[in-house]
Amino acid sequence: EADIYQTPRYLVIGTGKKITLECSQTMGHDKMYWYQQDPGMELHLIHYSYGVNSTEKGDLSSESTVSRIRTEHFPLTLESARPSHTSQYLCASSELGTADTGELFFGEGSRLTVL
Amino acid sequence: AQSVSQHNHHVILSEAASLELGCNYSYGGTVNLFWYVQYPGQHLQLLLKYFSGDPLVKGIKGFEAEFIKSKFSFNLRKPSVQWSDTAEYFCAVRGNNRLAFGKGNQVVVIP
Repeated sequence: EADIYQTPRYLVIGTGKKITLECSQTMGHDKMYWYQQDPGMELHLIHYSYGVNSTEKGDLSSESTVSRIRTEHFPLTLESARPSHTSQYLCASSELGTADTGELFFGEGSRLTVL
Repeated sequence: AQSVSQHNHHVILSEAASLELGCNYSYGGTVNLFWYVQYPGQHLQLLLKYFSGDPLVKGIKGFEAEFIKSKFSFNLRKPSVQWSDTAEYFCAVRGNNRLAFGKGNQVVVIP
């Protein structure tokens, strides 16, 4: 059972609002990721981190930002949400270095709807 | 950058039927290959993976996949599906330390 938690699971908000999607893992993993998933589409990497104070942009451009102040916590923030941000956001984590088996552990996702 | 192709996005079949999901990738270097599954209302989880060695990989719940390097393929198979196999299946390929996912196969098993 994966120990990675995302909140909220569902969020419906109006345009222009600031939102933060929370992601926490209790496995001590150094690497963490945010993916964007739309129905019938590939998972697209939007942000990743190799450890505390490390954040990188992923393959898909995103207006969101992330922070990694603690190993277990990797929140994603949208300063001003727009309807185009409507999507499911998946957080994941994995081992780093010699313990890296390539396996990602995923949270249950945060489904965001912007009206 | 590598890309991953999964065809037949929607698959509907009856219990006890055999299942095969195709996965093709485009990357010429060394790859690690994965199949992930997402059951309704649950998180994505690893079904099986290939790093090296025997190209026929066995995973959980009776699934297996075969890596055919010459065809750039990593097809997933199960000889006899159950209703509980209803899920979305994603193929993923890691090459040059980048991981790419396919669009997924939505599989519905009818009792």
